[in-house]
Amino acid sequence: QQQVRQSPQSLTVWEGETAILNCSYEDSTFDYFPWYHQFPGESPALLIAIRPVSNKKEDGRFTIFFNKREKKFSLHIADSQPGDSATYFCAGTGNTGKLIFGLGTTLQVQP
Amino acid sequence: EAAVTQSPRNKVAVTGGKVTLSCNQTNNHNNMYWYRQDTGHGLRLIHYSYGAGSTEKGDIPDGYKASRPSQENFSLILELATPSQTSVYFCASGTGGAAAETLYFGSGTRLTVL
Repeated sequence: QQQVRQSPQSLTVWEGETAILNCSYEDSTFDYFPWYHQFPGESPALLIAIRPVSNKKEDGRFTIFFNKREKKFSLHIADSQPGDSATYFCAGTGNTGKLIFGLGTTLQVQP
Repeated sequence: EAAVTQSPRNKVAVTGGKVTLSCNQTNNHNNMYWYRQDTGHGLRLIHYSYGAGSTEKGDIPDGYKASRPSQENFSLILELATPSQTSVYFCASGTGGAAAETLYFGSGTRLTVL
């Protein structure tokens, strides 16, 4: 079963727009939600993460919005740049310590 | 700088052959993981380890074995490789413990089973 769901599967935005990537989860014990990004031909790397004690986490142009009641969280990339083109994976983990990844969203930023 | 090194980078194997993928980390992390990445399936956990001598089954362990002989090294073993195991394999290390864990991934091994 897919415990962490991502949408959309692919997304294309124009340079300067805000890209919005969505995730939802099922396990209410999850307490840590990272986003990883993966550029073509490279390995995944941590981008930004949030714990449910907060409903928002910012790091430059990247913001996570978290809705605990609905078990949803999203990554907003403001002022998108062509260099942001990558695959983005959301994930969740709880008391098992194992990260459960979503299937990924491939983002293309058109100049 | 976290360092996770995988070998080989590319491997072509024959069906029924034995394949060993190696991973070495110099981060002194307790946890190590093996994932495979396939289009449409994201990152799927095969095996993981909490320290030397320990291995645990992940979400898709069938057809794979793992070995953690030391803190630094974690191997993935395919005793009888099949074409369905053609994939990109990533090793990762993580600090583990009560704090939120960041995974540091190696560069990946592209395995083709003919």
